[in-house]
Amino acid sequence: AQKVTQAQTEISVVEKEDVTLDCVYETRDTTYYLFWYKQPPSGELVFLIRRNSFDEQNEISGRYSWNFQKSTSSFNFTITASQVVDSAVYFCALSEAGNAGNMLTFGGGTRLMVKP
Amino acid sequence: ETGVTQTPRHLVMGMTNKKSLKCEQHLGHNAMYWYKQSAKKPLELMFVYNFKEQTENNSVPSRFSPECPNSSHLFLHLHTLQPEDSALYLCASSQEWTGPGQPQHFGDGTRLSIL
Repeated sequence: AQKVTQAQTEISVVEKEDVTLDCVYETRDTTYYLFWYKQPPSGELVFLIRRNSFDEQNEISGRYSWNFQKSTSSFNFTITASQVVDSAVYFCALSEAGNAGNMLTFGGGTRLMVKP
Repeated sequence: ETGVTQTPRHLVMGMTNKKSLKCEQHLGHNAMYWYKQSAKKPLELMFVYNFKEQTENNSVPSRFSPECPNSSHLFLHLHTLQPEDSALYLCASSQEWTGPGQPQHFGDGTRLSIL
């Protein structure tokens, strides 16, 4: 069975601090996809990144970086030099190739509060 | 600016009312989704439509009735709702339903409150 765990329910940092959001997943498939979404107070889930299980290269996009480690079944997300606009709920999600369709299993989310 | 538009943004209704939520996507996608997001609970997939055909119904009570007249529009008709149905209802779309790993693109949601 597939499962995504985001153990940190809330994180509070001061602006300019670095922060890492943890994501641990469980799957029996060898082919799967991992996602991160951002949900600001407006409500919309904003797609941030997708990785497939065959690509363990870390990725950097501006102040955002992602660390995918199959050995620990983790896909962690780091924000460098955090800003107030980064305040949101962040969701990690998993999609298995063995699913009948494009089903996403979401973690419970981590609420990040960045204080000025 | 989101490619998925939901209306209304907020809705307050009594348990005996009938209302509808609307979703429209401008991304040329063929799959559309309804999710429910309640406080303290993970996102719950409710329905999936692929090329206007319903492919998933995640054991949703019949007081929620979806409608997909074409690949760009999705409705959720509500009637005789319960207080526990108060939640944020999110619409999403992706290129297709078949084949995993496609990013889903979400609207801003409709925040529904049942009195």
